[in-house]
Amino acid sequence: EVQLVESGGGLVQPGRSLKLSCAASGFTFSNYGMAWVRQTPTKGLEWVASISTGGGNTYYRDSVKGRFTISRDNAKNTQYLQMDSLRSEDTATYYCLRVGFDYWGQGVMVTVSS
Amino acid sequence: DVVMTQTPVSLPVSLGGQASISCRSSQSLVHSNGNTYLHWYLQKPGQSPQLLIYRVSNRFSGVPDRFSGSGSGTDFTLKISRVEPEDLGDYYCLQSTHFPNTFGAGTKLELK
Repeated sequence: EVQLVESGGGLVQPGRSLKLSCAASGFTFSNYGMAWVRQTPTKGLEWVASISTGGGNTYYRDSVKGRFTISRDNAKNTQYLQMDSLRSEDTATYYCLRVGFDYWGQGVMVTVSS
Repeated sequence: DVVMTQTPVSLPVSLGGQASISCRSSQSLVHSNGNTYLHWYLQKPGQSPQLLIYRVSNRFSGVPDRFSGSGSGTDFTLKISRVEPEDLGDYYCLQSTHFPNTFGAGTKLELK
């Protein structure tokens, strides 16, 4: 059974950093690209970033470029989202996904507020 | 960015009835490899979205045949026949042909 389990969310002040993790199981992690998607009541679902199987290619939405970094550790079956210079508009539930967008994690809440 | 226009916003249905949701993209979703990466999801309250249909018309594992997807180019439709209580929730389309990948704004399927 494919499982994606996010962790690392929480309340953080504007301008600070947070790192999300996503532990994958039930499939050969190194064979799949991975992604992060976020959701808010006002903006809906937004794709945030994707990473290729080996990690050599990464893609970001414009609003997070230069602030967020997606990475992965295939030995640990884990992907990450390093979020720096956080803004209030980054407040959202963040989901970890397998590319193919077939399996989603349960989501982790990130709140950026002073 | 590719804009995904999803309609209607709200769709009241009767149990046992039929529902149809439209998703139109601002540009063609045909990838250079010939595939069309348009997918449909259902999100129930308190849950993450679950994949129903991938690449326009392919039902995901375990999805009942009451769900069907169709369309091409820029115009796509999700049909649900014989609506059951577990079908109620928010439906979204997603295009992953172009970066940034973009979602429709959602359709709430609710009881009439």
